[in-house]
Amino acid sequence: SQQGEEDPQALSIQEGENATMNCSYKTSINNLQWYRQNSGRGLVHLILIRSNEREKHSGRLRVTLDTSKKSSSLLITASRAADTASYFCATSKSSGDKLTFGTGTRLAVRP
Amino acid sequence: DAGVIQSPRHEVTEMGQEVTLRCKPISGHDYLFWYRQTMMRGLELLIYFNNNVPIDDSGMPEDRFSAKMPNASFSTLKIQPSEPRDSAVYFCASSLTVPADTQYFGPGTRLTVL
Repeated sequence: SQQGEEDPQALSIQEGENATMNCSYKTSINNLQWYRQNSGRGLVHLILIRSNEREKHSGRLRVTLDTSKKSSSLLITASRAADTASYFCATSKSSGDKLTFGTGTRLAVRP
Repeated sequence: DAGVIQSPRHEVTEMGQEVTLRCKPISGHDYLFWYRQTMMRGLELLIYFNNNVPIDDSGMPEDRFSAKMPNASFSTLKIQPSEPRDSAVYFCASSLTVPADTQYFGPGTRLTVL
């Protein structure tokens, strides 16, 4: 079964608004990563947060991790049409473990 | 660096034919991964290699699928014989030192089996 499950499955917002996506997982993790996939392209790494970290920022991206709730959120502030893509979380149980990807959130940003 | 390179980008074949997908990982990366993505099943890990050695092939769906990595700069995923249900986008990815590192994905090969 999938280790990570994203919520919502799809999200449509207006340009300039913030977008929040959530990821829940089932077992303890070593790290959690977020990836973006534009239509017809490969996945692109966005940000990695380790199990002992609670929050990370990268440009307009903010990721939080709550290990007690086994959940993470990805916030994209001041969204742009170019942010339209699918977003996946991926988890690993240890540094030597493979990544397990969630089912993704499809984000549409309307101009 | 050019990133992960995959070929071909698109492949259309008929049921029963052999299909070979190719991947060149990022130079210096120790790990190489093959994934399959479909609408129904999402992104599935098929197999991964460490320093050219297969580590986990539990995701390979059937004996019709095989993967090799003859050297650090080249890997193949072969399907023989192909079936319509193999239609999917196949991605190759590589990571630097451990499987849980950031993974760098290629552009994918879109396979259609008629």
